[in-house]
Amino acid sequence: EAAVTQSPRNKVAVTGGKVTLSCNQTNNHNNMYWYRQDTGHGLRLIHYSYGAGSTEKGDIPDGYKASRPSQENFSLILELATPSQTSVYFCASGDGGGNTLYFGAGTRLSVL
Amino acid sequence: GQQVKQSSPSLTVQEGGILILNCDYENDMFDYFAWYKKYPDNSPTLLISVRSNVDKREDGRFTVFLNKSGKHFSLHITASQPEDTAVYLCAAGASSSFSKLVFGQGTSLSVVP
Repeated sequence: EAAVTQSPRNKVAVTGGKVTLSCNQTNNHNNMYWYRQDTGHGLRLIHYSYGAGSTEKGDIPDGYKASRPSQENFSLILELATPSQTSVYFCASGDGGGNTLYFGAGTRLSVL
Repeated sequence: GQQVKQSSPSLTVQEGGILILNCDYENDMFDYFAWYKKYPDNSPTLLISVRSNVDKREDGRFTVFLNKSGKHFSLHITASQPEDTAVYLCAAGASSSFSKLVFGQGTSLSVVP
């Protein structure tokens, strides 16, 4: 059973449109993370959260917002999508403290 | 700037061979080091990790070596197998509950017959 579930798995958006990527975890982890994966860059952290109601900026937060309405759910929001945000996005959960991160299956986003 | 760097974007090794993947980091506060493995169109999964109180950890064919003074850690894989073909991502962070994990750029490994 997938403990970190992302939706949608694939998304095509238009430039200037709003995109919301959703993530749900059943691990009961406090921390959740949004990364994007691009060739030559590995995984880069966009936003993360320590618990419900909290969001923190990662290393590349510009153009993205995040929302953590509950322990289980963490969303990534692109208010005005741009082609440079075309990427594969991974959500992860963990307990911090150097513990394992558990990743979702990823969302492939294309912004045209 | 890139806090965690992998020196080789890609590597090819013959089946049965030994290979070494390298990773350098900048932040003195990092005390947790990990290697994740990622198959195409799949999510990254933890392969092996080590904390800074040891300089080596072995798990079957996989060994992590840590050189804190050199801010460097490496993954050694012995007896390479075709199923080792994947992208390997090194990661480092501080072992506090409020820490984030910083990943390197990844090394694409191909194990050929």
